Amino acid sequence: DQQVKQNSPSLSVQEGRISILNCDYTNSMFDYFLWYKKYPAEGPTFLISISSIKDKNEDGRFTVFLNKSAKHLSLHIVPSQPGDSAVYFCAAALDYTGNQFYFGTGTSLTVIP
Amino acid sequence: GAVVSQHPSRVICKSGTSVKIECRSLDFQATTMFWYRQFPKQSLMLMATSNEGSKATYEQGVEKDKFLINHASLTLSTLTVTSAHPEDSSFYICSASGTLQGGYGYTFGSGTRLTVV
Repeated sequence: DQQVKQNSPSLSVQEGRISILNCDYTNSMFDYFLWYKKYPAEGPTFLISISSIKDKNEDGRFTVFLNKSAKHLSLHIVPSQPGDSAVYFCAAALDYTGNQFYFGTGTSLTVIP
Repeated sequence: GAVVSQHPSRVICKSGTSVKIECRSLDFQATTMFWYRQFPKQSLMLMATSNEGSKATYEQGVEKDKFLINHASLTLSTLTVTSAHPEDSSFYICSASGTLQGGYGYTFGSGTRLTVV
């Protein structure tokens, strides 16, 4: 069964507004979470990560929030830019060494100029 | 639904031997399979793309004779690392795309940690 879920396959946001991408997981043993960004015909690019000891990690326009009790994480992009249009994957691992990753199926973000 | 099973999850092999990694789509038809190699906290590097019944398309710099990909059925793709060397030690992951994913979704396997000694 899918242990990491991204229930919104697509999202459209106006340029300059906030994009919020959501991810839910089922395994409470997951200790490390990552977000990847993927352009067509390219491999996913690492974006930002967070370990389970934190509830927030910020890097420029990108912020990841982790709610362990709800088994939920989200990626906030603000302000959104047209170049952010891509498919975003969340992934979870049992530890930061990266043995066995579990990926969501992706959310396609379109930022409208 | 849309589960991809990847095996083995970890493998240790001796230098010079070959290792086969399998990816199976359990409940959907994987018309396209992607094979990636990942380095810690870095991008997933696309190695090759394969469509069922066709030869795989390899990315630039990936040796076709070293990384053999077979996608003989809609539910199974294999990656064989031939004559493995320590520098091939890495994390390999597959992802599949098919009709269930709606055209732009991908289902990933859980990855294989290869260590060549």
